[in-house]
Amino acid sequence: QVQLVESGGGVVQPERSLRLSCAASGFMFSNYGMNWVRQAPGKGLEWVAVISYDGNNQQYADSVKGRFTISRDSSKNTLYLQMNSLRPEDTAVYYCAKVDNSGPGAFDLWGQGTMVTVSS
Amino acid sequence: SYVLTQPPSVSVAPGQTARITCGGDSVGTESVHWYQQKPGQAPVLVVYDDSDRPSGIPERFSGSNSGNTATLTISRVEAGDEADYYCQVWESSSDHYVFGTGTKVTVL
Repeated sequence: QVQLVESGGGVVQPERSLRLSCAASGFMFSNYGMNWVRQAPGKGLEWVAVISYDGNNQQYADSVKGRFTISRDSSKNTLYLQMNSLRPEDTAVYYCAKVDNSGPGAFDLWGQGTMVTVSS
Repeated sequence: SYVLTQPPSVSVAPGQTARITCGGDSVGTESVHWYQQKPGQAPVLVVYDDSDRPSGIPERFSGSNSGNTATLTISRVEAGDEADYYCQVWESSSDHYVFGTGTKVTVL
């Protein structure tokens, strides 16, 4: 069925790295832009990064620019988020989300989320 | 950076109408999307491009957008509509997505 499944979350010390994955199924992954969105405990949604359908363009929130890298492997129908130099304020549930068209648009499909805790 | 401001909370009795606002500078010139998030669950798209509904979303959910305010309207509110709601835009000047501050809807 049509779904997104995140993995890779866990507890990590400050300044360490972590890579999240998002496995897509049930739709033509290579046709759609993809995003990462996070939600700190008890807080609202924060957009993190977007990658274009072809992987050629990426944009990042100011809070993660230079530390996080979004990428995709269409041969594996998988989206990634490489997170380096992690900080306690990066603690959040991380969701991957599909854009509803090839350009900027609404997020019509979300994964269930994976928790990342940055703590010593 | 672009800011979308929502009221922290809205309370409504069952069967009545809930209106959730999303304020931003000239937000009427952008396409606004709305998401519903229930506790412990991922967000769900309920309105896109200001006023369109994805398949499976009840007609009770509607949206409008003009000037500096976008509005999500929930008619004939049901207990199951109790959730957090977020507006969202794509800010083309910065190539960033922006989420609103979020509104908790409580059904009395």
